Amino acid sequence: SQQGEEDPQALSIQEGENATMNCSYKTSINNLQWYRQNSGRGLVHLILIRSNEREKHSGRLRVTLDTSKKSSSLLITASRAADTASYFCVPSGTYKYIFGTGTRLKVLA
Amino acid sequence: KAGVTQTPRYLIKTRGQQVTLSCSPISGHRSVSWYQQTPGQGLQFLFEYFSETQRNKGNFPGRFSGRQFSNSRSEMNVSTLELGDSALYLCASSLAREMVYEQYFGPGTRLTVT
Repeated sequence: SQQGEEDPQALSIQEGENATMNCSYKTSINNLQWYRQNSGRGLVHLILIRSNEREKHSGRLRVTLDTSKKSSSLLITASRAADTASYFCVPSGTYKYIFGTGTRLKVLA
Repeated sequence: KAGVTQTPRYLIKTRGQQVTLSCSPISGHRSVSWYQQTPGQGLQFLFEYFSETQRNKGNFPGRFSGRQFSNSRSEMNVSTLELGDSALYLCASSLAREMVYEQYFGPGTRLTVT
């Protein structure tokens, strides 16, 4: 299947620190997306990286993609309490989006 | 631009009944996908509709069905409800340009089956 597996399952950091989450997948893809879900704002698309891209930035987010290793990472710099959420990677090559169990990030004030 | 809207937001039903959930996508979006989220199984893909046609389907029993109308609004129906159908049902819409597109999620419908 095209499901991504996020690692670690849970992560606690202090406000201001950087948070890094990893994602591995098994099949070939044409893009990989990261989503965030928290109780306040629901499930939100964060960033999309295409298979021919290696790195992408959006504000405090930096995503890398290594298609040879079938892996991706999401870095959140200077974390804030509002970043507390579950983060999901969604590798995709079809119109079917499979979500994994996510990484639960807790940012402590 | 208005976001994805789902109605109702909360619903309580009894085992054996059926339920219909509604989703209005962002204006101009032609693809609507449905997901079920539970604490035990996480987020699971139900199906995706594009231009009134089901384009992809997850691994759910036939009790779960959906449809899309010409204005891209979509409905999802669950018949013969079971306790295990209690979940947050999320709808997502997208432009579906080529095969690379972001999904925009609605707030969900919280279904409780008693």
